[in-house]
Amino acid sequence: AQSVAQPEDQVNVAEGNPLTVKCTYSVSGNPYLFWYVQYPNRGLQFLLKYITGDNLVKGSYGFEAEFNKSQTSFHLKKPSALVSDSALYFCAVRAPGAGSYQLTFGKGTKLSVIP
Amino acid sequence: EAEVAQSPRYKITEKSQAVAFWCDPISGHATLYWYRQILGQGPELLVQFQDESVVDDSQLPKDRFSAERLKGVDSTLKIQPAELGDSAMYLCASSRAGNEQFFGPGTRLTVL
Repeated sequence: AQSVAQPEDQVNVAEGNPLTVKCTYSVSGNPYLFWYVQYPNRGLQFLLKYITGDNLVKGSYGFEAEFNKSQTSFHLKKPSALVSDSALYFCAVRAPGAGSYQLTFGKGTKLSVIP
Repeated sequence: EAEVAQSPRYKITEKSQAVAFWCDPISGHATLYWYRQILGQGPELLVQFQDESVVDDSQLPKDRFSAERLKGVDSTLKIQPAELGDSAMYLCASSRAGNEQFFGPGTRLTVL
């Protein structure tokens, strides 16, 4: 069975500082990894994905994530945080192959960017 | 930019009543998903459709939940009867095969 852990329920960062939201995963085979963001009472918005290739993936709104196979991690990063980045962030994993494309999500990390 | 549409956005119902949610995926997306998100947790898959066929409903409580996508386009998720523990956000998503999934705004269900 596949699983995702987001070890921090909340991350606080000052505006303009770099931010990191942590994610580790467990899955059989090579993982498909995703980051989504959720604003209050809204659905999830896709930020970026890793399927194969370069370990550093760039996505929307200046976010990037680094895939580390040996540490089974896929941490989300941004060089300079904005107040508007404050939201709930979810990491998700999918096992490769056809059939069910079920995403398994972590519990989410609330990011607060302090002005 | 195309979006996944869901209705209603909010639904309040009493225990033992029937409720239904509707989803219209992004045009051209053959794969459609229903997820349930309990407050403070990540979404969990209830059912996945490929066109009009169910691919995965292993986590759908089939004694009270049903889902259909009759023409392979829009979809309906039904709960009958609703229970207190069903209070959650119900999210619909769509994708082209196994690519990234795009989510609708969700339906917030409150069961009293």
